[in-house]
This record gives sequence, structure tokens and C-alpha cells, in this order.
Amino acid sequence: GAVVSQHPSWVICKSGTSVKIECRSLDFQATTMFWYRQFPKQSLMLMATSNEGSKATYEQGVEKDKFLINHASLTLSTLTVTSAHPEDSSFYICSARKREGYEQYFGPGTRLTVT
Amino acid sequence: GESVGLHLPTLSVQEGDNSIINCAYSNSASDYFIWYKQESGKGPQFIIDIRSNMDKRQGQRVTVLLNKTVKHLSLQIAATQPGDSAVYFCAEITHRLNAGNNRKLIWGLGTSLAVNP
Repeated sequence: GAVVSQHPSWVICKSGTSVKIECRSLDFQATTMFWYRQFPKQSLMLMATSNEGSKATYEQGVEKDKFLINHASLTLSTLTVTSAHPEDSSFYICSARKREGYEQYFGPGTRLTVT
Repeated sequence: GESVGLHLPTLSVQEGDNSIINCAYSNSASDYFIWYKQESGKGPQFIIDIRSNMDKRQGQRVTVLLNKTVKHLSLQIAATQPGDSAVYFCAEITHRLNAGNNRKLIWGLGTSLAVNP
């Protein structure tokens, strides 16, 4: 149990376009979802935290108008990278947490390449 | 972000040996610690956790030790296998004034474990 999926697993887009990444909790309700980005050989960097039905809380230095997060249901959160640039190329990982408890369940990640 | 964006240290071990991966945490208020394994191109996978009221916890082939005096966490892997090759991250949950009930994970640097056959 506690499976999280992400779609797509990888995506290539042109500079200036937008791309949407989906994060789904398949067998549980996720009241909180987290979005991370990870550069090669580095640790995970938290971008934002979203609670179902409310606006996301962004970490310092993360542009909320560029990284749009929607958590419309208890099983789905989306991250949209708007007007993507090559420096946005990264590995984006989501995680989901149940109402009770500490544990975060991670998705398999999405590799974004902006050309 | 709150994690450290530095390059990963590497630990190289022989297959069958025991591995010890260390992690220093910074916040004495953290009350829950987790070790994750991340294979190349995949998301982190939960290995084992420990609460701050414990100093040792064992799982299958893995043991986590917590030393709150020096704020140190370690992960011991017994009889290391090639499938254990991955990057290992420690994470802590800390109480911050502006975190509300979100309980954000604070990530360690990570250690790359290479198992030699």
C-alpha cells in the first residue's frame, strides 16, 4: 500500500513552453503533497507544500508564478512549469502524506529536459 | 530550499562487508528521523525510521543508531549486496514556527554507496 505515481516519467519541451507534471496517490488519501526538485548528485530541495483544497506554500526562492501547484483532490496534485527555460531542467519528485503520521511516500520522479 | 546542494560523498565497500553511513543533523528539536535509499533515476525509498526517544532500531539487515548528544545518525547495512548500491539520505522532521502542521522533511547531504563484487 501507499503507492504514489507520477506522470510523465520524463518529458522534453522547448524553451518558453509550459509542462504539467501529475502526482497521484493510488491507494490512499493524501491530505498533503510535497514537490521537490533534484539536480544530479545533489540532495532533494523542497519547492512547495500543498494541502488539499488550499493554496500551496512555497519555499523561499521558489517562484510561485513559475511553478504552479494545484492540489484539487485528495489523490492528485499537479505541478506546472510555466515558460520553461533550460535551467529548469531537473528531476522533479513528489511525495504524499496521509492525514495522520509523519511518513512521506515518494513518487518515482519526472525527468524534465528543456531544450 | 532547505537541503544542502553540495556534491555527494561516496562510500565504497566490498560485497558481503558491513556498511556504515553517517549523517549529522542540525536541529536538536527534531523528533523523527528517516533513512531513504535512492537508486539512479528513481524516487527515494523508505528504509527505516527512528523516533528521538530511541537510540537504536533494527530492521532487516539494517540498523539505525541515533546519538542525540552529538546529533548524529547512522545507518548500518549488514552483508552489503550489489543491490544496495544507491544514494542514501537521512532526513529529519523539525518543528518550525511557520510550518504549521506540514512537518517538512529536512534532507541530509546524501552518501553514494558503491558495492564492489
